[in-house]
Amino acid sequence: EDQVTQSPEALRLQEGESSSLNCSYTVSGLRGLFWYRQDPGKGPEFLFTLYSAGEEKEKERLKATLTKKESFLHITAPKPEDSATYLCAVQAYRVTGGGNKLTFGTGTQLKVEL
Amino acid sequence: SQTIHQWPATLVQPVGSPLSLECTVEGTSNPNLYWYRQAAGRGLQLLFYSVGIGQISSEVPQNLSASRPQDRQFILSSKKLLLSDSGFYLCAWTHPRGNTEAFFGQGTRLTVV
Repeated sequence: EDQVTQSPEALRLQEGESSSLNCSYTVSGLRGLFWYRQDPGKGPEFLFTLYSAGEEKEKERLKATLTKKESFLHITAPKPEDSATYLCAVQAYRVTGGGNKLTFGTGTQLKVEL
Repeated sequence: SQTIHQWPATLVQPVGSPLSLECTVEGTSNPNLYWYRQAAGRGLQLLFYSVGIGQISSEVPQNLSASRPQDRQFILSSKKLLLSDSGFYLCAWTHPRGNTEAFFGQGTRLTVV
């Protein structure tokens, strides 16, 4: 069974204070690892897909990296508008069925203060 | 470009009443469709997915059902709601092959009273 564990559950940063969020996973054949941002009361917004160990993706102040066991979302010089819950999800290769479904972690709630 | 519509945004229903939530996707054909539920402070739990019209797979036993009457329409239903059905319901779609990231609707906040 695919499993995703995210840490920390909550993180409070000062504006400009860089940090990293962790996503540990176990999956039988990783097809892709996904990062999403979710604002309160909204649906998750897609950020990145990582496919293989060593891959990195960047978008503004966010950088996602991937190893064989975990992924990190690095936030450089965050701003208050980066405050949100960040979700990690994995997708496994399946011989038949499955429909590209994702298994999600419980997320890291990030609060960036002035 | 592809868009996903989900409605209503909020819903308050009494215990024992029926439920129908609807989701439609525009700008793509034969998408894979999903219903997730998100409880407060918890991750997204996959409830149902569909790879085609009339094809529904259920992930967890529950009081809900899903249907896909048209290629880009996905409906979540219940005949009699329970208090435990309260939550944030999200519809999502993915391409059937190739890029497999999921795109989500804005969600429905369901409160069963």
